[in-house]
Amino acid sequence: EIVMTQSPATLSVSPGERATLSCRASQSVSSHLAWYQQKPGQAPRLLIYDASTRATGIPARFSGSGSGTEFTLTISSLQSEDFAVYYCQQYNNWPETFGQGTKVEIK
Amino acid sequence: EVQLVESGGGLIQPGGSLRLSCAASGFTVSSNYMSWVRQAPGKGLEWVSVIYNSGTTYYADSVKGRFTISRDNSKNTLFLQMNSLRAEDTAVYYCARARYSGNAPLGYFDYWGQGTLLTVSS
Repeated sequence: EIVMTQSPATLSVSPGERATLSCRASQSVSSHLAWYQQKPGQAPRLLIYDASTRATGIPARFSGSGSGTEFTLTISSLQSEDFAVYYCQQYNNWPETFGQGTKVEIK
Repeated sequence: EVQLVESGGGLIQPGGSLRLSCAASGFTVSSNYMSWVRQAPGKGLEWVSVIYNSGTTYYADSVKGRFTISRDNSKNTLFLQMNSLRAEDTAVYYCARARYSGNAPLGYFDYWGQGTLLTVSS
């Protein structure tokens, strides 16, 4: 199965600053990569699919890029509601697999 | 409005059985690909099973032969029958709608329920 590795494990950022999260696949997943946000006690929320397409209702400050094995989620200016754990997920090879998550915390 | 509401979790002894339910509204379960995804306490997400609109089912190796996914079209509800439960099955179980885009062989998850907690312990 494809292993998804996210870095860093924890990212400390001040409100208003830019956050850059990375996700690496153990083999190419083309552009079949999604990003999710999860807050404590809540279900994951889809942010990005097909590596760079924002899901319905997702603010423009969230953007995704990459293809193949290297992907990036960028939050251009962190808002208080953006502090959460972020997961990437590949859907190119069975089974769908997730990264271990990056926690974005307040600096 | 799309909603998914899971129920049926609880505390069960190792070797026991339990059935989870996921009631859907705002869309038709039988016309979509529906999955179960679980999250062990303090851990990441793990895909468990999917049922296609055709009725075809697939399972993660970790649950194959023990779990069965199904649906009741008349009730627009998804189920996960879990047998021979182990401590490592302890997790919050989410049902989620899977979407397939373009030439993608598998799917991402656009709607999730709030989850139901299964604890397997003696």
